[in-house]
Amino acid sequence: DAKTTQPNSMESNEEEPVHLPCNHSTISGTDYIHWYRQLPSQGPEYVIHGLTSNVNNRMASLAIAEDRKSSTLILHRATLRDAAVYYCILRDEVNNAGNMLTFGGGTRLMVKP
Amino acid sequence: NAGVTQTPKFQVLKTGQSMTLQCAQDMNHNSMYWYRQDPGMGLRLIYYSASEGTTDKGEVPNGYNVSRLNKREFSLRLESAAPSQTSVYFCASIGGSPGLAGLYPYTQYFGPGTRLTVL
Repeated sequence: DAKTTQPNSMESNEEEPVHLPCNHSTISGTDYIHWYRQLPSQGPEYVIHGLTSNVNNRMASLAIAEDRKSSTLILHRATLRDAAVYYCILRDEVNNAGNMLTFGGGTRLMVKP
Repeated sequence: NAGVTQTPKFQVLKTGQSMTLQCAQDMNHNSMYWYRQDPGMGLRLIYYSASEGTTDKGEVPNGYNVSRLNKREFSLRLESAAPSQTSVYFCASIGGSPGLAGLYPYTQYFGPGTRLTVL
């Protein structure tokens, strides 16, 4: 699976939007972009995924660049509960028999009241 | 529906002792995984089981064995614990939904973790 690059940490104020960037310049045509987050002392949880088009769900939005070499996870109104490590992960859904995820370092999001 | 459960939540071992970490899922998932997470790091895959009766090594399998007991349960065994195995261990299973053009992006569900300390 191709590699992703994320900032180590970001800060946000409560109730403001947060844009978490992810670069993946070597993405292949069969790579899906997945975002997971890990709250303190918990296991990771799924946030959102996409292939080419922008995606929205109740947790967040995912904006994917036209060339797919980067993406941005958007939290529309950050809350204190959103403080977590956010992982951007590419997974080849065709050539990945084990369907495994490969985690990098992620971005630690800090939310200030 | 409990999702993915793990036991125990915490464990302290002495070097050389053995133990088994238990994991179960009630979502009828085929694939299950064991990860470890060292302080300040991302998760690394130890072993996985793509289906009942099969297991495969991940990135860091040395010092571990696994058993896929049935579709629900996937255990991780440390035969002779070492301080380097001090970590938080997460079990996960995978469920899916159809994607575009016949691709299937599978969502992974994680357990709450087992915090293991080896002295």
